[in-house]
Amino acid sequence: AQSVTQLDSQVPVFEEAPVELRCNYSSSVSVYLFWYVQYPNQGLQLLLKYLSGSTLVESINGFEAEFNKSQTSFHLRKPSVHISDTAEYFCAVSPGSGNTGKLIFGQGTTLQVKP
Amino acid sequence: GAVVSQHPSWVICKSGTSVKIECRSLDFQATTMFWYRQFPKQSLMLMATSNEGSKATYEQGVEKDKFLINHASLTLSTLTVTSAHPEDSSFYICSARVRVLGTEAFFGQGTRLTVV
Repeated sequence: AQSVTQLDSQVPVFEEAPVELRCNYSSSVSVYLFWYVQYPNQGLQLLLKYLSGSTLVESINGFEAEFNKSQTSFHLRKPSVHISDTAEYFCAVSPGSGNTGKLIFGQGTTLQVKP
Repeated sequence: GAVVSQHPSWVICKSGTSVKIECRSLDFQATTMFWYRQFPKQSLMLMATSNEGSKATYEQGVEKDKFLINHASLTLSTLTVTSAHPEDSSFYICSARVRVLGTEAFFGQGTRLTVV
């Protein structure tokens, strides 16, 4: 079985400051890792994912995440945030072998970007 | 890109009535669809996995007779909340897995259910 822990429920940050949203996972098998963003009253949008290969993955809007197998982490970072980045962010895992598409989500982190 | 559409986006119903929520994959075939439930300020909890043409697989603790799931075609899955009660009020989100590219699931915009 897999589990995901997002260590921070809320992260307040000023605009243009860097941010890191932490995610740790537990699994006895290899996993795929995902970050999703959710704006109020909307569904989830995929931000980035790690399946294999390079451990550093990037999104088109400046976010990046690094898969660290030894620390079982997949922290999300952005060097300079914007007001529009204010949203709920979810880290998720899915079994890599025999993947069914089933996702296990973390508790979510609310990113609050202040002007 | 792959688009998943949920309908309705919000619904208010009286206690004791049933509500049906539709989840459609608009531009791809989805062999598998997932239904999640999200309480305010909480994460998404998987309710069930729906495979086209077969019975849904429910997660532990989810009442299959209360949350009826039908996946009659490769583009449509429905969730029916039967005899709804106020505690069923929640945000329900579906996702669909692309048939060929099996590693990613695309999410609908969600349905806000309020039972009064």
